[in-house]
Amino acid sequence: NAGVTQTPKFQVLKTGQSMTLQCAQDMNHNSMYWYRQDPGMGLRLIYYSASEGTTDKGEVPNGYNVSRLNKREFSLRLESAAPSQTSVYFCASSGRGSPSAFGSGTRLTVV
Amino acid sequence: AQTVTQSQPEMSVQEAETVTLSCTYDTSESDYYLFWYKQPPSRQMILVIRQEAYKQQNATENRFSVNFQKAAKSFSLKISDSQLGDAAMYFCAYRSAFMETSGSRLTFGEGTQLTVNP
Repeated sequence: NAGVTQTPKFQVLKTGQSMTLQCAQDMNHNSMYWYRQDPGMGLRLIYYSASEGTTDKGEVPNGYNVSRLNKREFSLRLESAAPSQTSVYFCASSGRGSPSAFGSGTRLTVV
Repeated sequence: AQTVTQSQPEMSVQEAETVTLSCTYDTSESDYYLFWYKQPPSRQMILVIRQEAYKQQNATENRFSVNFQKAAKSFSLKISDSQLGDAAMYFCAYRSAFMETSGSRLTFGEGTQLTVNP
């Protein structure tokens, strides 16, 4: 029972490099999310997809793009990484009436 | 917009004793869910307990229980008989029940780091 799978678990980027974080869920959930976690600030929503084919900005969308590839997959792209994007990133999914399930997180460092 | 506040950045408790973590929230909505998540050093987000706002009865899961005060917009977590494995960061979170406005996204508090002393 995989739940929410996100890759990679760790990544170091140089300023200006790009990368894509991948996320897939096998729970047939309609909604998927990307959060970032910074010390003392909890988790903040970057982007979400309420259903397949739709995406919307969350609290902190600047510098990111997302793609809801299909019902299972929701990717997060950093086009030109900046040190301010150093954080731990979580993918999550949820279905109607069900609590969110989270991936194991990606620790990203931008140097 | 909804906000969630955890005013205790750190708490500590002796093993086998009871500790209460505080959470307050602000919303104009009448129907919503509240959650407590546990995040151990492994980084995994683990659901501890969930409360539906329309239910007056406080949720309970084994050693974990909540004190939900809707009028005061307060949602505290009580951990009884604390164990070493309870040591973790705990997050309080809010979710609107109206999916068309929020996509069921969570709004988190800042977190409380719980230490359990042997």
